[in-house]
Amino acid sequence: NAGVTQTPKFRVLKTGQSMTLLCAQDMNHEYMYWYRQDPGMGLRLIHYSVGEGTTAKGEVPDGYNVSRLKKQNFLLGLESAAPSQTSVYFCASSQLAGGLNEQFFGPGTRLTVL
Amino acid sequence: SQQGEEDPQALSIQEGENATMNCSYKTSINNLQWYRQNSGRGLVHLILIRSNEREKHSGRLRVTLDTSKKSSSLLITASRAADTASYFCAADNNDYKLSFGAGTTVTVRA
Repeated sequence: NAGVTQTPKFRVLKTGQSMTLLCAQDMNHEYMYWYRQDPGMGLRLIHYSVGEGTTAKGEVPDGYNVSRLKKQNFLLGLESAAPSQTSVYFCASSQLAGGLNEQFFGPGTRLTVL
Repeated sequence: SQQGEEDPQALSIQEGENATMNCSYKTSINNLQWYRQNSGRGLVHLILIRSNEREKHSGRLRVTLDTSKKSSSLLITASRAADTASYFCAADNNDYKLSFGAGTTVTVRA
């Protein structure tokens, strides 16, 4: 099993460009999450999904959109990138087995917006 | 807002010594989790302690939870160079989400 994979691993954008980050999991997990990690700030939740076709806002959703058309995929979109979105983005998934939200993380996407 | 806050922010120890880090959280929790992140990698789940537990062990890891003080501690015994990483606590409020702290960076010197 590959677990949680993220595409791409690195990306450089110019201000105003758009892009989509892809997260895929092969564990049949219901729940998926997008986080951003900035120096000294830990992980902040951007959006999450509790099942196929559902999405919800997290702590820092502005400037991002998401879609969960298939259970195994969770896409994060930046419609008009800004330098403040320079960050490392992590995707995670969970099954809430026994009501416990143990999350499995992807390797991350390092995004730089110039 | 982030629920968990770790202390200290950074820790440097000699190989073989113990490393202790603390986490405080703000609201009631279902459980408290600890994750490790090696440089340039994703987070990996280490251990989970439920709100009705006070102490839990897993190999060289020992976690305590004090719900009256809304705090938890992670102890790594007999540290090794491979334990060099950042450690994060995550509070589970039973609402499908985890709230992560800013992390403690641990450096184990050979």
